[in-house]
Amino acid sequence: DTEVTQTPKHLVMGMTNKKSLKCEQHMGHRAMYWYKQKAKKPPELMFVYSYEKLSINESVPSRFSPECPNSSLLNLHLHALQPEDSALYLCASSQVGYQGQQFFGPGTRLTVL
Amino acid sequence: AQSVSQHNHHVILSEAASLELGCNYSYGGTVNLFWYVQYPGQHLQLLLKYFSGDPLVKGIKGFEAEFIKSKFSFNLRKPSVQWSDTAEYFCAVNAFLERQGGKLIFGQGTELSVKP
Repeated sequence: DTEVTQTPKHLVMGMTNKKSLKCEQHMGHRAMYWYKQKAKKPPELMFVYSYEKLSINESVPSRFSPECPNSSLLNLHLHALQPEDSALYLCASSQVGYQGQQFFGPGTRLTVL
Repeated sequence: AQSVSQHNHHVILSEAASLELGCNYSYGGTVNLFWYVQYPGQHLQLLLKYFSGDPLVKGIKGFEAEFIKSKFSFNLRKPSVQWSDTAEYFCAVNAFLERQGGKLIFGQGTELSVKP
């Protein structure tokens, strides 16, 4: 199984809502990532988890809160977002270390009203 | 700091034309190199990758890329493009981070439009 799944596919939320994005993989990967992608732009790294611990936070605002409850799951909790946070949110996973090709999920398209 | 530069922002070709998209990276250590494609409205898909060995790598859908270490380049090629190749193409470098996943650094992307 070389698939990374993400739910939901689409999400529309108001600026006062709290919502969560979910990512799952069963490839035994111990590194998981959240990226944000705007239209026709490259993905921007937000967070990296390695062995279920947060290892990189690319200065992401606190209204985004990641969580890695186990080695297969990665969540992104959203609260008090702004319209400019509307984007495609991609999850990826890889083996830890040098040769780690990242496998991307299909993404969640988020719209903040 | 590591960086990836893609030479062309938007390339327009007719069907059957040959394609070459430039990619240069800036990183002093050993790298893994990737080309990803994103079709309109779809998610990122891996076209091909280079880890080591033969510097000419073949990917899916007839794409290939050549790693030239002395030029820090990893250009993507296809002899004859099709309308279905219309997409955004991203070059990426995976820089080694000890005891972490690699940090994937993307170029700015090249939009390819193929006219039927």
